[in-house]
Amino acid sequence: QVHLKESGPRLVKPSETLSLTCNVSGGSISGYYWSWIRQPPGKGLEWIGYVYYTGGTNYNPSLKSRVSISRDTSENQFSLKLSSVTAADTAVYYCARSDKIMLWAFDFWGQGTLVTVSS
Amino acid sequence: QSVLTQPHSASGTPGQRVTISCSGSTSNIGVNLVYWYRLLPGTAPQLLIFRNNQRPSGVPDRFSGSKSDTSASLAISGLRSEDEADYYCAAYDDSLSAYVFGTGTKVTVL
Repeated sequence: QVHLKESGPRLVKPSETLSLTCNVSGGSISGYYWSWIRQPPGKGLEWIGYVYYTGGTNYNPSLKSRVSISRDTSENQFSLKLSSVTAADTAVYYCARSDKIMLWAFDFWGQGTLVTVSS
Repeated sequence: QSVLTQPHSASGTPGQRVTISCSGSTSNIGVNLVYWYRLLPGTAPQLLIFRNNQRPSGVPDRFSGSKSDTSASLAISGLRSEDEADYYCAAYDDSLSAYVFGTGTKVTVL
């Protein structure tokens, strides 16, 4: 069974860069797409972007100027960097997997980690 | 960025059938596949429906999805207490060039 777990700082200061890592266990990151999705408190879900195992990326245009997603096949993990954060970036951040046949079906998710942007 | 509209809440008694609607447009549901997810606080979200009406292995057949024109629905039959959760529809939006989620529906079992 594939297991995803998010890790990283829970508190980030305004204007700084939010950095999270998703560790994948029980399976390889090869052959799959790996996404980041977030949910601000009391609000709905927002897809941030994905990285393919080859390194190719696709980002939500609403965040594209501030987002970078990368993968490390040797460590079987992928990472999110979101720059110039504000309070509006406070959210539970999830990592999730999808495959090339069903690109938009996220079949495995992490439990999520709450990141708060505050000074 | 919620371009998919869902009712804020839905409820039913154990054993009843509950239906959740998801209203979109010609740039998302009208031309792309629909997905449904269940979220419970503190747990990993779960894929319930993919490709409009397909269930992943392990998802009981109490859950069913349908799509018509620019709208989709998720039906939960034989409602159980463990079905209390938030449910989200999702689809790719060609105009926004992004995968978008619905506004979410909180299901309560009375």
